[in-house]
Amino acid sequence: AQSVAQPEDQVNVAEGNPLTVKCTYSVSGNPYLFWYVQYPNRGLQFLLKYITGDNLVKGSYGFEAEFNKSQTSFHLKKPSALVSDSALYFCAVSPLYNTDKLIFGTGTRLQVFP
Amino acid sequence: DTGVSQDPRHKITKRGQNVTFRCDPISEHNRLYWYRQTLGQGPEFLTYFQNEAQLEKSRLLSDRFSAERPKGSFSTLEIQRTEQGDSAMYLCASSHTSGTGHYEQYFGPGTRLTVT
Repeated sequence: AQSVAQPEDQVNVAEGNPLTVKCTYSVSGNPYLFWYVQYPNRGLQFLLKYITGDNLVKGSYGFEAEFNKSQTSFHLKKPSALVSDSALYFCAVSPLYNTDKLIFGTGTRLQVFP
Repeated sequence: DTGVSQDPRHKITKRGQNVTFRCDPISEHNRLYWYRQTLGQGPEFLTYFQNEAQLEKSRLLSDRFSAERPKGSFSTLEIQRTEQGDSAMYLCASSHTSGTGHYEQYFGPGTRLTVT
């Protein structure tokens, strides 16, 4: 079965420290991978995607993600966290070319403390 | 604002009533998606359209659910004979897909449905 796992319900980090939000996937074939962020009372906002090419993908608001095919992971990272980064983060995979429905993980709440 | 819009933002209804939600995608986007999100979960795919054609429906979409996109622009999602288990946030997203491109989906703010 095709699935996405976000093993941490919550990640806590101090402002200015690097952050990592973990994501692993299980799909057949080459995956298309995405990260979205959800702020309270707002819709999901696209952060970044991996389709092909360089394993390190840069996205919005200083976030980046590293695709690791051997570990089937797509972890979200940021070198220096901001309090305003506190939100709910979702990893998603689109398993089939030209279908592009998204399969989401259960989300990880990021809390950045001042 | 040129993003995806959804109406209403909140809907409270009694069990057994019918409800209809509307989604207006980003104007140049040819694909439109519906997802459902319950508390503590990620969004789950329900259905999607390319222009006016409904190309895929999830098994989550029971016979009580129907979606349309009659002119390839806005879409409606109707739930008939609502049940308490239908209480959720209903999200709409749109994307532009052409040729071999694979584009990200842009989400609306959602319609929160509460069935009492």
